[in-house]
Amino acid sequence: GQNIDQPTEMTATEGAIVQINCTYQTSGFNGLFWYQQHAGEAPTFLSYNVLDGLEEKGRFSSFLSRSKGYSYLLLKELQMKDSASYLCAAMDSNYQLIWGAGTKLIIKP
Amino acid sequence: ETGVTQTPRHLVMGMTNKKSLKCEQHLGHNAMYWYKQSAKKPLELMFVYNFKEQTENNSVPSRFSPECPNSSHLFLHLHTLQPEDSALYLCASSQDLESGSNQPQHFGDGTRLSIL
Repeated sequence: GQNIDQPTEMTATEGAIVQINCTYQTSGFNGLFWYQQHAGEAPTFLSYNVLDGLEEKGRFSSFLSRSKGYSYLLLKELQMKDSASYLCAAMDSNYQLIWGAGTKLIIKP
Repeated sequence: ETGVTQTPRHLVMGMTNKKSLKCEQHLGHNAMYWYKQSAKKPLELMFVYNFKEQTENNSVPSRFSPECPNSSHLFLHLHTLQPEDSALYLCASSQDLESGSNQPQHFGDGTRLSIL
């Protein structure tokens, strides 16, 4: 079956670095997406990886290892506004997104 | 401004009512999606439309009925819902299903649905 695993909740300190891990199993693979969702708001697109390696975009970076079925989202210089849920989604061979349940990130001062 | 607008934002209805959720996108996209989001569960894909044609119906009960009159508008008609249908219903759009896998989906803020 198809499955995405990510931690339910994480806590980090303002100004620090946090890494949110995601493992996936899909029928075929056409890329890995990360989205951010603040409470009561729409999920917003953060990153897309289809090749192995690290993609850096400002304070946020995303890494992919296709052989391990593994990705992570790295958030640097954490700010209070980064408190949100982070959703990992893998695209299968039918170009459908398979979603994780999301990781709720709590930032403490 | 997300480019995808959903109305209403909140809806409370009884199990015998009939209501509709509306989604409109101003991004020039040709694919539109309905998702159900329940607390601490993954997003569940319900329906997909590509150039107004329905391409996916993921075993959704018939009490949910989608309608896509054009590429910019998507509706979800609701009737005789059950308490377990209470959830956040999200609409999304993307360029289309042929443009390649790297095209992200853009989401609306959702309709919070409560069934009494």
